[in-house]
Amino acid sequence: DGGITQSPKYLFRKEGQNVTLSCEQNLNHDAMYWYRQDPGQGLRLIYYSQIVNDFQKGDIAEGYSVSREKKESFPLTVTSAQKNPTAFYLCASSHRLAGGSEQYFGPGTRLTVT
Amino acid sequence: AQSVTQPDIHITVSEGASLELRCNYSYGATPYLFWYVQSPGQGLQLLLKYFSGDTLVQGIKGFEAEFKRSQSSFNLRKPSVHWSDAAEYFCAVGGPTSGTYKYIFGTGTRLKVLA
Repeated sequence: DGGITQSPKYLFRKEGQNVTLSCEQNLNHDAMYWYRQDPGQGLRLIYYSQIVNDFQKGDIAEGYSVSREKKESFPLTVTSAQKNPTAFYLCASSHRLAGGSEQYFGPGTRLTVT
Repeated sequence: AQSVTQPDIHITVSEGASLELRCNYSYGATPYLFWYVQSPGQGLQLLLKYFSGDTLVQGIKGFEAEFKRSQSSFNLRKPSVHWSDAAEYFCAVGGPTSGTYKYIFGTGTRLKVLA
């Protein structure tokens, strides 16, 4: 079955540690995205990528980093510089970044930092 | 600036009752419009989308939405709600913005269904 996988579903880290969230898609989509979801705030865009080896900052990129070395993979690193990292993180992909392509979402990773 | 407003944070309906979730957007041109549903602790699933043409669009799970350009609205409807429809619903717009392309999501409406 085609889709997006995110792992792990739950992640716990100590403050000051970097942590990497995995996102893999087998939909052959060019564009991939990372969102952060907090209660009552909807989805906020962290980073997006239109194509391999290219990515752009979204609205809340500070304290995060990404890479896009393969078409199917778009890992997100939450660094120790992120002031409030505890949140639900959603990865998405779309056929392309244009033309109204709908986004397909993974199941999410809930990160808790203490 | 582009924006999406979902004015209702919570809505409660009885099973079998009709449902309408409101969505208003602000955008310079006709955007691409989407409705997504999210069950607790899960990702988002696309219910329906509007790009052009017929302003009444049908989606999955018996949902429909109507695009009204004059009101900048894209409200989601269902004639008879089932208990399994309890979830959070997000309206989104997509379109070119400042040389790139963005999706903007509303803050969501949480639906509770009473048995």
